[in-house]
Amino acid sequence: DIQMTQSPSAMSASVGDRVTITCRASQGISNSLAWFQQKPGKVPKRLIYAASSLQSGVPSRFSGSGSGTEFTLTISSLQPEDFATYYCLQHNSFPRTFGGGTKVEIK
Amino acid sequence: EVQLVESGGGLVKPGGSLRLSCAASGFTFSNYDMNWVRQAPGKGLEWVSYISKSGSSIYYPDSVKGRFTISRDNTKNSLFLQMNSLRDEDTAVYYCGRGDLLDWGQGTLVTVSS
Repeated sequence: DIQMTQSPSAMSASVGDRVTITCRASQGISNSLAWFQQKPGKVPKRLIYAASSLQSGVPSRFSGSGSGTEFTLTISSLQPEDFATYYCLQHNSFPRTFGGGTKVEIK
Repeated sequence: EVQLVESGGGLVKPGGSLRLSCAASGFTFSNYDMNWVRQAPGKGLEWVSYISKSGSSIYYPDSVKGRFTISRDNTKNSLFLQMNSLRDEDTAVYYCGRGDLLDWGQGTLVTVSS
């Protein structure tokens, strides 16, 4: 099985900060990676697919990069509505595996 | 508009069974692979099962293999998850998801407790 190691598990940041979240796959997954945002009590929302493609309707301050085993989600300028938990998901092979999540909190 | 509506959750005793359903609308159901994903209270997301468009390919993680069965009825635009031999650790909100999880339902809560 492919393990997805996400870091950090939690972070505090201020509005306007640049935020970077990383996911590392235990083996190469090409670009078969998606990023999701989940707010408390809400359904997860896909932000990025194919590692770097922005989902329609998602603000351009979100971006994804990486291929193989190292992937990054970047929020260029954190907004109040971005405080949430973020998850990566590899869909290169079965079983599908999520990262452990990164909770972005207000500093 | 894509809609996925789960149902069938509830309280069940350890060792019991439950069948979840997901009613799909707003898209051609038979053109999409489908998934179930769960989230235990206060925990992260866990992928639970996958079924291909025709139902010919099915996958599970080891945590539910042999206990859960995914199926679909393309004539009724419906996805199912039969859950047997339920354990405390199966307590979670269960979501159905379309394709590579672009779209999710609102989830249905399954509580396994004596």
